[in-house]
Amino acid sequence: GEEVAQTPKHLVRGEGQKAKLYCAPIKGHSYVFWYQQVLKNEFKFLISFQNENVFDETGMPKERFSAKCLPNSPCSLEIQATKLEDSAVYFCASSQRGTAGAAFFGQGTRLTVV
Amino acid sequence: AQTVTQSQPEMSVQEAETVTLSCTYDTSESNYYLFWYKQPPSRQMILVIRQEAYKQQNATENRFSVNFQKAAKSFSLKISDSQLGDTAMYFCAFMKNGANSKLTFGKGITLSVRP
Repeated sequence: GEEVAQTPKHLVRGEGQKAKLYCAPIKGHSYVFWYQQVLKNEFKFLISFQNENVFDETGMPKERFSAKCLPNSPCSLEIQATKLEDSAVYFCASSQRGTAGAAFFGQGTRLTVV
Repeated sequence: AQTVTQSQPEMSVQEAETVTLSCTYDTSESNYYLFWYKQPPSRQMILVIRQEAYKQQNATENRFSVNFQKAAKSFSLKISDSQLGDTAMYFCAFMKNGANSKLTFGKGITLSVRP
């Protein structure tokens, strides 16, 4: 598609439940990024992919967060055993090239952990 | 590691006037890119303007222009003829050159355009 599609738009989970977010990058884009925007509006980088390969996962809280980008499937970000502090908007972005190509963002998924 | 600083948390401007949003950054990289993104209340992240560090000429996109001072590591955004639709949060971002580089964002500035 011509835009980054993220689903769902809103997600509410009880503390300790699992949350799974999806992202379909723009067709032809090889690079996918996940960012977390917390309530203070600050962005935190989580993970990036080059096609289906993890490129940079330095921002991932590995004990509960995992992500995948499989061929012919939307990319996914999964949070096991959610905590209140995971409440945030999660953005997916894709780019055609990782350098000069600017990243195009999806509309985000607002996760609320109660 | 790179850092991006937006020291002004919020600004206000009268419709049709000009406003400048400040951004400074710190990096040891010589080849990189700088961006301004707009985030309206809909929370959609919209790319406003991009600057390649190797280019001396300041980028311009219609009413939006930047003042890129590489030596001072400064990258300000000027919005001319402000419109009500410019009301949004604006984020300055840095990306080093290299395959699959991530964006490092500033904390953002809330811009309000008054009618």
